Amino acid sequence: GNSVTQMEGPVTLSEEAFLTINCTYTATGYPSLFWYVQYPGEGLQLLLKATKADDKGSNKGFEATYRKETTSFHLEKGSVQVSDSAVYFCGSEKLVFGKGTKLTVNP
Amino acid sequence: DVKVTQSSRYLVKRTGEKVFLECVQDMDHENMFWYRQDPGLGLRLIYFSYDVKMKEKGDIPEGYSVSREKKERFSLILESASTNQTSMYLCASRAGGQPQHFGDGTRLSIL
Repeated sequence: GNSVTQMEGPVTLSEEAFLTINCTYTATGYPSLFWYVQYPGEGLQLLLKATKADDKGSNKGFEATYRKETTSFHLEKGSVQVSDSAVYFCGSEKLVFGKGTKLTVNP
Repeated sequence: DVKVTQSSRYLVKRTGEKVFLECVQDMDHENMFWYRQDPGLGLRLIYFSYDVKMKEKGDIPEGYSVSREKKERFSLILESASTNQTSMYLCASRAGGQPQHFGDGTRLSIL
């Protein structure tokens, strides 16, 4: 079946720290993969996507690479800001999502 | 930009009431979805629709129904609300296999 498993938080970092949030998937075939971000009181917004193996999605300093060999789509950012504090969801076009990872960045 | 609008941000209802949650999208998307979001459980798919008057059960359809009479509108119905349906409800739409666009959510409390 199709599923997505992501690292559960919460994750607390200091400003300018390096961020990794792990996401692995199981799927039939190679569905598109997405990272969404949810700020307090809002719905989910698309952060980045990758539509095929070896694709790298990037946006606002965040990156994720669709790795077929490890069935992973880990989210990374080299230097986080306080404004990145939010909940991050990994998901696939097969309508499955991870449970979300809450990130708090302290000044 | 796609806009998905949910009719209420906050709603308080009583046990046993019939509750309607409305969602409208403005991009002519074929596909629309209803999720509930609960702490520690992430997003769970309740129902979805691929076209007008069509509906498919998601992972947790019990206690819910939906209506899609027009392409832009997808309604979630709680037939007889219960306290375990207190949750955040999120509506989404998309075209084909593209990413979903989400509304801001309705926080529903059942007393």
